[in-house]
Amino acid sequence: RKEVEQDPGPFNVPEGATVAFNCTYSNSASQSFFWYRQDCRKEPKLLMSVYSSGNEDGRFTAQLNRASQYISLLIRDSKLSDSATYLCVVNRDDKIIFGKGTRLHILP
Amino acid sequence: EPEVTQTPSHQVTQMGQEVILRCVPISNHLYFYWYRQILGQKVEFLVSFYNNEISEKSEIFDDQFSVERPDGSNFTLKIRSTKLEDSAMYFCASSVEGTSVQNTGELFFGEGSRLTVL
Repeated sequence: RKEVEQDPGPFNVPEGATVAFNCTYSNSASQSFFWYRQDCRKEPKLLMSVYSSGNEDGRFTAQLNRASQYISLLIRDSKLSDSATYLCVVNRDDKIIFGKGTRLHILP
Repeated sequence: EPEVTQTPSHQVTQMGQEVILRCVPISNHLYFYWYRQILGQKVEFLVSFYNNEISEKSEIFDDQFSVERPDGSNFTLKIRSTKLEDSAMYFCASSVEGTSVQNTGELFFGEGSRLTVL
């Protein structure tokens, strides 16, 4: 089983819609969790950390379920500029492990 | 805004040649990383570096790879004898506090060095 698994997508979603990304991780010793965003042929950039209590940043909501080893990201009122690949990222010891990412296309 | 810079942006080399990829991390950061991304595939961890030594490395980071911080600013990745499968985008990253559970875990990535091995 891969250490971090994501739906490969792509998700093709009309502008204004709500999009949900799911991620599972295999190692229960994982310590912290993040969502990164990667635009085509660019470097990954931190979108938001994921806290046990769940957290929100504007249109973005992240949730963590440690018992199920599951992380989610919700984007509300999606914009054209949200088109990118969303990477689920898990920290274990001194290693940050990336999922393969889910590509999102927002359609006008 | 401070940023991680990488050179070269693109390098083409013949199989078997040595390659050195260079990175200048953000100046007050203490932890440094190399990742690679083969085209269309995921970002893969190679190595982390702290206090002038490797703190963690992946199974990809075999004897062909080495890292060095030769002075106070540069952080280099050397591939001794390149193979075709080394063709990828190599990302350098740095963080101020490392990836312990106490910190934000934010890695700041450079724009990458694309390596093409022929």
